[in-house]
Amino acid sequence: AQKITQTQPGMFVQEKEAVTLDCTYDTSDQSYGLFWYKQPSSGEMIFLIYQGSYDEQNATEGRYSLNFQKARKSANLVISASQLGDSAMYFCAMREAQTGANNLFFGTGTRLTVIP
Amino acid sequence: GAGVSQSPSNKVTEKGKDVELRCDPISGHTALYWYRQRLGQGLEFLIYFQGNSAPDKSGLPSDRFSAERTGESVSTLTIQRTQQEDSAVYLCASSLDPGENEQYFGPGTRLTVT
Repeated sequence: AQKITQTQPGMFVQEKEAVTLDCTYDTSDQSYGLFWYKQPSSGEMIFLIYQGSYDEQNATEGRYSLNFQKARKSANLVISASQLGDSAMYFCAMREAQTGANNLFFGTGTRLTVIP
Repeated sequence: GAGVSQSPSNKVTEKGKDVELRCDPISGHTALYWYRQRLGQGLEFLIYFQGNSAPDKSGLPSDRFSAERTGESVSTLTIQRTQQEDSAVYLCASSLDPGENEQYFGPGTRLTVT
């Protein structure tokens, strides 16, 4: 079974609008972390935001916020006031802390295109 | 400060040849990870090093893949008898310690097996 599922291969958003990128996860661990990374066409992976499973508040970092719904096992990324530079691939990832594994499990990504 | 660096940035090799990919983590980072990203896909975990502990090799796809790391410094990923299916971008990441939230990624090595 996939640990991370991103069901949107591609998304379009008008500049200055908000967009939500979906992510659901599958784990039996009680302690885990959820991450979002941005990968522009240049290829580097840029860390955006982190949510711990025990964090009560949704994580926010500037224009990025993570809509964490633990019971539904979803960790959607919300980008507000989209900019042309936000056009990129976005990957959701999870680390399962309890199993002792420190690697990240990644989804297949969502390609976001911001339209001027 | 300097980020994670990887070399070469691009490598084209013939099927059956061996290749070595290098990763220089951020100085002082004890944890180092290798991932593979096939075209249009997410990242697949390959191997993880933490200090002088035995590496977590659970993601290596076959015994043709191996990696080494000396202490908390450079790591080398070796692929023996390369196959066309090995064509991918190989990404290295490091973090200050395994509990740190953020892994810092290098620019990757694009491997093409002809």
